[in-house]
Amino acid sequence: GAGVSQSPSNKVTEKGKDVELRCDPISGHTALYWYRQSLGQGLEFLIYFQGNSAPDKSGLPSDRFSAERTGGSVSTLTIQRTQQEDSAVYLCASSPINWGEQETQYFGPGTRLLVL
Amino acid sequence: QQQVKQSPQSLIVQKGGISIINCAYENTAFDYFPWYQQFPGKGPALLIAIRPDVSEKKEGRFTISFNKSAKQFSLHIMDSQPGDSATYFCAASSSGAGSYQLTFGKGTKLSVIP
Repeated sequence: GAGVSQSPSNKVTEKGKDVELRCDPISGHTALYWYRQSLGQGLEFLIYFQGNSAPDKSGLPSDRFSAERTGGSVSTLTIQRTQQEDSAVYLCASSPINWGEQETQYFGPGTRLLVL
Repeated sequence: QQQVKQSPQSLIVQKGGISIINCAYENTAFDYFPWYQQFPGKGPALLIAIRPDVSEKKEGRFTISFNKSAKQFSLHIMDSQPGDSATYFCAASSSGAGSYQLTFGKGTKLSVIP
């Protein structure tokens, strides 16, 4: 079946602009994660959604970052007033809820963000 | 504070050789340890994973060895092939955390030369 999809695949923006990144998880997966992959910091957890529960936002680096998940499916990560240090690959992952599989995360191809 | 330390940063192995990547963790609450493989321009893909109730897990040419007392685990790639050239990440998560968020090592860039 279809995997996790993300759009756009690449995004170039100017410092100070807002950007929106989209994630379509695997159909039926109730858990959704956002991670950031940068050269200096490796892969870092940003935020987690599970069903209708309140999201775990503990990894968001600043209040310029926010995310929402509509209808328990598609998620949007928004970065306001982008800074050059926001340049990174933003990865989305989803997981099934089945017992014994809930830790298995399937990653999308990522959105490569460059802030000039 | 880095909770999962991975070494080496890069590794060059001859075709047919054994590639070994090591990871050490600090958080004793971790109870799931996956390895991911990432090719340039792609997202990480799950390769193999282990839980702390077993000391070794093998899938094809890939084996995870796990040492709970030492808080270390490693990936062995037997009969390494040029197609295995990629970046490998170890990771860990805790079911007690509720979110199963993964804490990743910094990655190992593996090059398998013919």
